[in-house]
Amino acid sequence: AQRVTQPEKLLSVFKGAPVELKCNYSYSGSPELFWYVQYSRQRLQLLLRHISRESIKGFTADLNKGETSFHLKKPFAQEEDSAMYYCALSGPGNQFYFGTGTSLTVIP
Amino acid sequence: NAGVTQTPKFQVLKTGQSMTLQCAQDMNHEYMSWYRQDPGMGLRLIHYSVGAGITDQGEVPNGYNVSRSTTEDFPLRLLSAAPSQTSVYFCASSYSSSGTKYEQYFGPGTRLTVT
Repeated sequence: AQRVTQPEKLLSVFKGAPVELKCNYSYSGSPELFWYVQYSRQRLQLLLRHISRESIKGFTADLNKGETSFHLKKPFAQEEDSAMYYCALSGPGNQFYFGTGTSLTVIP
Repeated sequence: NAGVTQTPKFQVLKTGQSMTLQCAQDMNHEYMSWYRQDPGMGLRLIHYSVGAGITDQGEVPNGYNVSRSTTEDFPLRLLSAAPSQTSVYFCASSYSSSGTKYEQYFGPGTRLTVT
């Protein structure tokens, strides 16, 4: 069965410190993975997806099929990065499976 | 393009009442989905549709009905509201092309309270 796990519900880092939000998945096929961000009281928006291998707002994520992980990283956290982050997997029929989310707080 | 729109933004219902949450998209996306967002639970899929006339159940479908008569609209009906349905509801749409699945575009959400 498809599943996305985000082990950290809350994560706090100081401004300028590196940040890593963890995401592990289980999927029998070839996964398509995404990171979404939700700023306070706003709609979810796409941050990045693994097939494009791009860096958005300084964030990157590498798909590690051996460890079934898709961790989100940023070398220097900024206050405006404080938000809720969701890892998601696209499955059959374009169903999306979301993790439970990690609330990131960047301390000034 | 307006993208994905949802109405209403806020709603308070009494237990047992019914209502319909509206969702529309103007991007000609074939896929549409409804999620509920609850603290500590993330987003859970309620129902989804892969095209007009086709719907299927997601992870938490009980108490909800959907229909997809057009590509643009995907309303969610609460048949008999219960306090457990107090949540924030998000509608989303997406598409695929040449086997590549593209991201979901989300609406602004509907905050529903059932008393």
